[in-house]
Amino acid sequence: DTGVSQNPRHKITKRGQNVTFRCDPISEHNRLYWYRQTLGQGPEFLTYFQNEAQLEKSRLLSDRFSAERPKGSFSTLEIQRTEQGDSAMYLCASSVRDHGYTFGSGTRLTVV
Amino acid sequence: AQSVTQPDIHITVSEGASLELRCNYSYGATPYLFWYVQSPGQGLQLLLKYFSGDTLVQGIKGFEAEFKRSQSSFNLRKPSVHWSDAAEYFCAVGASGGGADGLTFGKGTHLIIQP
Repeated sequence: DTGVSQNPRHKITKRGQNVTFRCDPISEHNRLYWYRQTLGQGPEFLTYFQNEAQLEKSRLLSDRFSAERPKGSFSTLEIQRTEQGDSAMYLCASSVRDHGYTFGSGTRLTVV
Repeated sequence: AQSVTQPDIHITVSEGASLELRCNYSYGATPYLFWYVQSPGQGLQLLLKYFSGDTLVQGIKGFEAEFKRSQSSFNLRKPSVHWSDAAEYFCAVGASGGGADGLTFGKGTHLIIQP
């Protein structure tokens, strides 16, 4: 068990470009979450997967954001046409029911 | 809707002194409560969690927290802080230990340790 792995750790992109982040959860965890954390704030829930099904999406997840979890293993979060307001830390977490959440180290996105 | 309030944005404590970080929550049912710690540029590390049972829970690194339903609080304590405890601390509430809605976090308390 190597924990939740996120790649890349840092991403700098120009406004208008597309970016994709990857999250590899703990292997036996069937639940996966994406959060966004801006400077000076706590993490905010974006979306939730149970196995390969995306079951919950926050209002924060605009049409430019899409998340997938093919085969119920790793997950990707794509942001299209990035804006400066998308600059944040994107955190992934995984869990099994009633055993709490394990977070990855995050991907820090800077849009210039 | 559930919410978490951490009333102290910053707290400064001398090394070796005791610590208490406050957390108040609003939730309509029995809450699942968590404390996480975050070092700069890093992810979140779980310190402790409360699901049910004994209202005083022990965590890692010498931390403990007490669930008080009547006060809707889940304050984090440590009897003697170390310089390595300097970090951001987040309290969070959820509907379960791993449910569909994930967690709702407070805005965090930044802990500064004075030598």
